[in-house]
Amino acid sequence: NAGVTQTPKFQVLKTGQSMTLQCAQDMNHNSMYWYRQDPGMGLRLIYYSASEGTTDKGEVPNGYNVSRLNKREFSLRLESAAPSQTSVYFCASQPPSGSSLNTGELFFGEGSRLTVL
Amino acid sequence: GENVEQHPSTLSVQEGDSAVIKCTYSDSASNYFPWYKQELGKRPQLIIDIRSNVGEKKDQRIAVTLNKTAKHFSLHITETQPEDSAVYFCAASIRSGGYQKVTFGTGTKLQVIP
Repeated sequence: NAGVTQTPKFQVLKTGQSMTLQCAQDMNHNSMYWYRQDPGMGLRLIYYSASEGTTDKGEVPNGYNVSRLNKREFSLRLESAAPSQTSVYFCASQPPSGSSLNTGELFFGEGSRLTVL
Repeated sequence: GENVEQHPSTLSVQEGDSAVIKCTYSDSASNYFPWYKQELGKRPQLIIDIRSNVGEKKDQRIAVTLNKTAKHFSLHITETQPEDSAVYFCAASIRSGGYQKVTFGTGTKLQVIP
């Protein structure tokens, strides 16, 4: 049981390049999230997926797209990277709402540190 | 939407002293308030949480209090130890459709001086 796995852990891009951050969870969770973490700004929600087949914008979605490939996987794509997207990205998952397992806790991956030059 | 403010942004205490971190939230419908600890270079991990029907919860050296009327909640760490040094995030959560919408505070960097 690996929990939430993110790849890559580190990436350096040039402005205008594209890339996809991968996230997978093996806990049979329904909801999955992408956050970005910047100094002094906490964790800000980029996109979320309440369940397989659905995705919605969070607080800071501009410049990103997501795909909920199946129940396990939720990817984040930067189509044309900009220096403002330099950040640490965290994927998280949560058990189904209404289930006894859903205490509200988010389970985070180890993070992906992205630098855009 | 929900807005969570957290203070202070940095906090230094001597080992053995207590530390208090305070948060306020804006949406009275929020019903779940978790606290996450993030050690340097690591992922955030839940350390304690409280629901809106409870005023206080304690787990060994850490405790959380909630004042729904004033819309604020606090984390208390007693007998601090060097391993408590980390960034702490408060959050407010509300059920929205099929998921729980979580809004985080901006974090408090706690340094425990041996």
